Amino acid sequence: SQELEQSPQSLIVQEGKNLTINCTSSKTLYGLYWYKQKYGEGLIFLMMLQKGGEEKSHEKITAKLDEKKQQSSLHITASQPSHAGIYLCGADRGGNTGKLIFGQGTTLQVKP
Amino acid sequence: NAGVTQTPKFQVLKTGQSMTLQCAQDMNHEYMSWYRQDPGMGLRLIHYSVGAGITDQGEVPNGYNVSRSTTEDFPLRLLSAAPSQTSVYFCASSYEHGLSGNTIYFGEGSWLTVV
Repeated sequence: SQELEQSPQSLIVQEGKNLTINCTSSKTLYGLYWYKQKYGEGLIFLMMLQKGGEEKSHEKITAKLDEKKQQSSLHITASQPSHAGIYLCGADRGGNTGKLIFGQGTTLQVKP
Repeated sequence: NAGVTQTPKFQVLKTGQSMTLQCAQDMNHEYMSWYRQDPGMGLRLIHYSVGAGITDQGEVPNGYNVSRSTTEDFPLRLLSAAPSQTSVYFCASSYEHGLSGNTIYFGEGSWLTVV
């Protein structure tokens, strides 16, 4: 089983709709990263959360880390075709080593 | 500033061949790591380094070697390629991690097929 569980594994939404992707850990998250990947390309950094209750936004994407630091959500408002791709959450388990553990990814399709 | 550069982008190997995936960063980052990405499994850590001369194993190190002779470079060596090593490989780097919360930068990936 994955240390980080993402849900849903895939998502198809109509353009303009809102959506949420969740990332859940059984252990405390010292840092939680969200990346986006287009098929066949590298990872694009979206946001990084460290503090319990922290929330960050960039354009139409908002990420939150819950107070217990065991779950994060990524919310996209008014989705566009450009939001399509694979969203990955990565967790820092501590130890100050630059290592991340990743969830299995959520594939998002946005229908025009 | 090129960021994290990986080469080659695509490679086909025969079983038993050896090769090296190159990774270089020009941001003077201490931390570098290699991941492999397989369908339905996200990214898994192969090896990582916290500075020149220091390397350690990640989740899936078998069949791979690394070295870190300089801050800039972190090559990944496949000693005797196997079909199970067919994957997409990503190199990543960052400044001091953890409390400082610095961004981890990824290369564009190397697509490796072992036949």
